[in-house]
Amino acid sequence: DIQMTQSPSSLSASVGDRVTITCRASQSINSYLNWYQQKPGKAPKLLIYAAFSLQSGVPSRFSGSGSGTNFTLTISSLQPEDFVTYYCQQSYSTLRTFGQGTKVEIK
Amino acid sequence: EVQLLESGGGLVQPGGSLRLSCAASGFTFSSYAMTWVRQAPGKGLEWVSTVSGTGGSTYYADSVKGRFTISRDNSKNTLYLQMNSLRADDTAVYYCAKDEYSSSWNWFDPWGQGTLVTVSS
Repeated sequence: DIQMTQSPSSLSASVGDRVTITCRASQSINSYLNWYQQKPGKAPKLLIYAAFSLQSGVPSRFSGSGSGTNFTLTISSLQPEDFVTYYCQQSYSTLRTFGQGTKVEIK
Repeated sequence: EVQLLESGGGLVQPGGSLRLSCAASGFTFSSYAMTWVRQAPGKGLEWVSTVSGTGGSTYYADSVKGRFTISRDNSKNTLYLQMNSLRADDTAVYYCAKDEYSSSWNWFDPWGQGTLVTVSS
């Protein structure tokens, strides 16, 4: 199975900060990488698909990049509603896998 | 509007069985693969299983292979997850999700609200 490793597991930041979350795959997955946001007690919500395509309705402060084994999710200016948990997920293999998650906390 | 509504969760003893359902609406159900993802309390997301649009192809995580069976009834627009030989570590919120796609890319969108399965004596 393809292992997905996110870093950091958690981070502290302030409103207006630029933050970057990294996701690394155990083998090349081309650009078959998606990002989700999950608020407490809610279902995950798609942010980015195919590594860099912004889902309709998602604010433009979110962006994705990368290919092969290394990917990043960037939030250009953190807003209060962004202090939640983010997951990457590979769709290269039919055996889909998620990263362990990154919790963004208020500093 | 696409809607997914899970049901069937509850409390079950170790070794027991449970069947989850996910009622879909707002899209041509048979044209899309469907997936189950679970989340143990306080933990991350774990992909469980995916079924193709026809139901002819199924895929499972190693942690559930041989115990869980994914299926679908396209005439009822409903996805199922039959869970047998349940263990304490199967305790989780179970989400169903639509496998959206474009060309060769796939992603999960949208997700249902989830149903809680608790395995405990």
